[in-house]
Amino acid sequence: DADVTQTPRNRITKTGKRIMLECSQTKGHDRMYWYRQDPGLGLRLIYYSFDVKDINKGEISDGYSVSRQAQAKFSLSLESAIPNQTALYFCATSDLGRDRGYTFGSGTRLTVV
Amino acid sequence: GDSVTQMEGPVTLSEEAFLTINCTYTATGYPSLFWYVQYPGEGLQLLLKATKADDKGSNKGFEATYRKETTSFHLEKGSVQVSDSAVYFCAFRIQGAQKLVFGQGTRLTINP
Repeated sequence: DADVTQTPRNRITKTGKRIMLECSQTKGHDRMYWYRQDPGLGLRLIYYSFDVKDINKGEISDGYSVSRQAQAKFSLSLESAIPNQTALYFCATSDLGRDRGYTFGSGTRLTVV
Repeated sequence: GDSVTQMEGPVTLSEEAFLTINCTYTATGYPSLFWYVQYPGEGLQLLLKATKADDKGSNKGFEATYRKETTSFHLEKGSVQVSDSAVYFCAFRIQGAQKLVFGQGTRLTINP
C-alpha cells in the first residue's frame, strides 16, 4: 500500500456541488498538507495541519475547507465547486525534521464542469 | 516575497545528453533546498536536497550544489536516459517555516 493514499484519483463534478477529497497516510507523520497543481504555476499550498487540533490556511485557501479527522486523515472540501478549481490536488505529509522532504500522494484530478 | 524561478520548459534532449535545469530562489531567511521529480501519473518524489551553502545533493546521477552567493540550486546530470522524462520541481523551506515553496516545474522529455 502507498504511504499516502488519496481518493478519488479522478473526479468530474458540476458547478455548485460540494465535493470532498480524502487523504490518509501510514507514515506516522504529524504534518499534513493540501496543494493544488496548475500548469505553469507549480504547486500552491491550500491548507496545512501540524496535528489534529491545528489547522492553518495556505496561500490559496478561499473556496476550500479542511478537516483533520485523525493523525492519519486529512480531507479537503470544496463547498461549492467552480470551474477554476479544476486542477490536480496533492496531499503531502512530513515529519519534524527541517531538512527532510515531503511524501506526496498520487494526486486527485478534479474537473469542475 | 519568497519565490522560486525555474528554467521554463519544456526541455527536450536526446539520450546521453548533458542536462542542466536552472533554479534560483528569493528567500528572506536561510533555506534548505530541494529538487522533486514527478513521473507521469504520479505524485512528487524527493530527488535530492541540500541544507547549507556549498552542500551538494545527489541521487540517481543527478546533482545540485547550494550556491548561496548566487542564490541558485541548478540541477545537472551528465548523461540522461529516456526514463528521466518527467517534470522537475525546485523548492525551498526557510528554517523554522512551515511550508515548502515550489517553482513552476520544468517538463523534461528525453528522446531515444
